[in-house]
Amino acid sequence: RKEVEQDPGPFNVPEGATVAFNCTYSNSASQSFFWYRQDCRKEPKLLMSVYSSGNEDGRFTAQLNRASQYISLLIRDSKLSDSATYLCVSQGDKIIFGKGTRLHILP
Amino acid sequence: DAGVIQSPRHEVTEMGQEVTLRCKPISGHDYLFWYRQTMMRGLELLIYFNNNVPIDDSGMPEDRFSAKMPNASFSTLKIQPSEPRDSAVYFCASSYSSSEAFFGQGTRLTVV
Repeated sequence: RKEVEQDPGPFNVPEGATVAFNCTYSNSASQSFFWYRQDCRKEPKLLMSVYSSGNEDGRFTAQLNRASQYISLLIRDSKLSDSATYLCVSQGDKIIFGKGTRLHILP
Repeated sequence: DAGVIQSPRHEVTEMGQEVTLRCKPISGHDYLFWYRQTMMRGLELLIYFNNNVPIDDSGMPEDRFSAKMPNASFSTLKIQPSEPRDSAVYFCASSYSSSEAFFGQGTRLTVV
């Protein structure tokens, strides 16, 4: 089983819609979790951290379920500029990335 | 700070040649990571250092790959000899403790 697993997509979503991604991790000792965004031919950049209590940053909401070992990202009112690959990250003694979920926002 | 700096940005080399990728982490960061990214395998962790000491190199694919960090401001990833299947984008990232990782712009390696 891979350490961090994500649905690769692509998710093709009309502008303005709400889209949700899930991610599962296998290492129960992981301490921190993040969502990164990667644009085509660019490096990954931090989108947001994920806290046990859930956290929100504008249109983005992240949640962590330690019992089931999954992480989610919700994007509301999606914009064309949200088109990218979203990487789920589990961090313990090392930082492990999922393969990413590709999102295409359609005009 | 200019961020994580990698060089070269692009490298095209012939099979069998030695390739050296370079990374300058963000000043003050104590962790440095080397990743390789391909369409098939995604972003794979090759090796990481803590305070210049290699901690986990279990992701290094073969003995042809080696990495060093002689000081806090410089690291290299070397492939010798290179093979076409090594073609990928190689990212270096640094972080402070368990905080977010900052990535360099990557080195796009093509081995022909």
